[in-house]
Amino acid sequence: GAVVSQHPSRVICKSGTSVKIECRSLDFQATTMFWYRQFPKQSLMLMATSNEGSKATYEQGVEKDKFLINHASLTLSTLTVTSAHPEDSSFYICSARLDREPYEQYFGPGTRLTVT
Amino acid sequence: GQNIDQPTEMTATEGAIVQINCTYQTSGFNGLFWYQQHAGEAPTFLSYNVLDGLEEKGRFSSFLSRSKGYSYLLLKELQMKDSASYLCAALDSNYQLIWGAGTKLIIKP
Repeated sequence: GAVVSQHPSRVICKSGTSVKIECRSLDFQATTMFWYRQFPKQSLMLMATSNEGSKATYEQGVEKDKFLINHASLTLSTLTVTSAHPEDSSFYICSARLDREPYEQYFGPGTRLTVT
Repeated sequence: GQNIDQPTEMTATEGAIVQINCTYQTSGFNGLFWYQQHAGEAPTFLSYNVLDGLEEKGRFSSFLSRSKGYSYLLLKELQMKDSASYLCAALDSNYQLIWGAGTKLIIKP
């Protein structure tokens, strides 16, 4: 159990375009999902916390107008990178948190974004 | 502030035992997680400790001392496939995970 899917797994886009990444909890409901970014050989960096039915909470330094998050249901959160630039190229990982203690997070397989 | 410390890199030999330490300082504490992350992949859940003591799960064990703000992950009978980064994360009073930078474990034949 506790499977999280993420789509697409890889995407290449041109500078200035937008990209949407989907994160789904397949066999459990998740009120809270998280979006992380990871640059090569660096640790996970939390970008935002996505709460079903309410606005996302962004970490300091993350532009909410550039990284749009929508948590429309208890099993789906989306991250849209708007007007992407080469510096947005990274590994984006979502996680879904169980709604009961100990609230462990299960991760999606990640999305490798390359902006040319 | 909130902080997690763990070694950046460790090297061990196939078949041996290795212990990865983690110290934490958080606003409140609701448990400690260990995750494994292979290069280019997402993290996978390994263990959770909230009470003091040792939790054993196959070749992997995790220990917690709340009074010392300390945990370790013990890997026995190391296999080449155990080469990965190991992430320590503490759950604070708001049930937010505070992540360590990860320990890269290199296994040599």
